[in-house]
Amino acid sequence: GENVEQHPSTLSVQEGDSAVIKCTYSDSASNYFPWYKQELGKRPQLIIDIRSNVGEKKDQRIAVTLNKTAKHFSLHITETQPEDSAVYFCAARRGYNKLIFGAGTRLAVHP
Amino acid sequence: DAGVTQSPTHLIKTRGQQVTLRCSPKSGHDTVSWYQQALGQGPQFIFQYYEEEERQRGNFPDRFSGHQYPNYSSELNVNALLLGDSALYLCASSFGGTNTGELFFGEGSRLTVL
Repeated sequence: GENVEQHPSTLSVQEGDSAVIKCTYSDSASNYFPWYKQELGKRPQLIIDIRSNVGEKKDQRIAVTLNKTAKHFSLHITETQPEDSAVYFCAARRGYNKLIFGAGTRLAVHP
Repeated sequence: DAGVTQSPTHLIKTRGQQVTLRCSPKSGHDTVSWYQQALGQGPQFIFQYYEEEERQRGNFPDRFSGHQYPNYSSELNVNALLLGDSALYLCASSFGGTNTGELFFGEGSRLTVL
């Protein structure tokens, strides 16, 4: 079936530390893995994505890694800042741009 | 360039009523997907419209229906509302010609069922 598991559900770090969020997907046909950031009362916004033919992608302080064999992908945020505080969702795409989302990780960055 | 717009932003209904939510996709996009996001959870796929037809559907009952117009705008209809239908309903648009490309989300319509 279609399922994306996301861990941890909550994450608290000190400003400047790194944060790592991990996801596992079940459908081996999934070929695209976006990460969304959702601030309170706002829409989900894409922060980084990775396709199945790539193992790692980096954009400034944010990086994503993908292990297709293990069906794992992870989000890495370095040098965290208070404005990184939000809920982060991983997702896996199947079919025509149908996203299966994880349950979310609430990240709190303390000054 | 306007992004994805949704209306209304908030609404309150009572059990058994019907609701219609509206979405206008981002300019240049022809595909609209609807998601339900319950409090504290990730968005759940309801269905997707492309070329005015439902192309994919998630695990939602027939009480959830939709429509897409020639200008690519879309409606989500929910009949016989239940308390459990209370959620943020998100519309996302994309270009449906290929199975690639970013999904752009609207700000959502927050539905409360009393």
